Amino acid sequence: GNSVTQMEGPVTLSEEAFLTINCTYTATGYPSLFWYVQYPGEGLQLLLKATKADDKGSNKGFEATYRKETTSFHLEKGSVQVSDSAVYFCALTSTDSWGKLQFGAGTQVVVTP
Amino acid sequence: NAGVTQTPKFQVLKTGQSMTLQCAQDMNHNSMYWYRQDPGMGLRLIYYSASEGTTDKGEVPNGYNVSRLNKREFSLRLESAAPSQTSVYFCASKGQGATNEKLFFGSGTQLSVL
Repeated sequence: GNSVTQMEGPVTLSEEAFLTINCTYTATGYPSLFWYVQYPGEGLQLLLKATKADDKGSNKGFEATYRKETTSFHLEKGSVQVSDSAVYFCALTSTDSWGKLQFGAGTQVVVTP
Repeated sequence: NAGVTQTPKFQVLKTGQSMTLQCAQDMNHNSMYWYRQDPGMGLRLIYYSASEGTTDKGEVPNGYNVSRLNKREFSLRLESAAPSQTSVYFCASKGQGATNEKLFFGSGTQLSVL
């Protein structure tokens, strides 16, 4: 079956630091990969996605590249802000799961001034 | 522009009580989902509805029932609540089409079962 593994948090950073959150996956079929973000007290929002190998998703300064050879989709941001403090979820859906998302456990990121 | 609306936002139940979580979306989406979120486990799919009139079990359906009342509404019912059902519940919806894979989430219901 499909699964997503994320690095455990919390990840605590100072403002303007570089952020990486590792995500690896196992999947049957041809997965699409996603990063969702959850700000405190809110539901999840789509941050970025990539639908095929070597695609790069990007949004709000965040980037992730779909690496089929390493089955990874690591999230990066070059200079974080306090407003980036949130929980980040890696997720996938594949052609044989009919659009159902499989989520990782989530990584809490705390950015301090 | 409401998106996905869940009610209630908070609920405390005693073991054995029943309740229904309500969810409605105004985006004319075909697909709707119920997830639960537990620390260290991410989001797990409870039930989903691919279209009006259909429902299917997800990863953790035991102890829950759902109703797709119409295209807009998808409710989740706990018939006899248990402490293991203490969680945050999220409803989500998705538009039609294989390439339209973005889920829209409600703001969640925090449920405590004592």
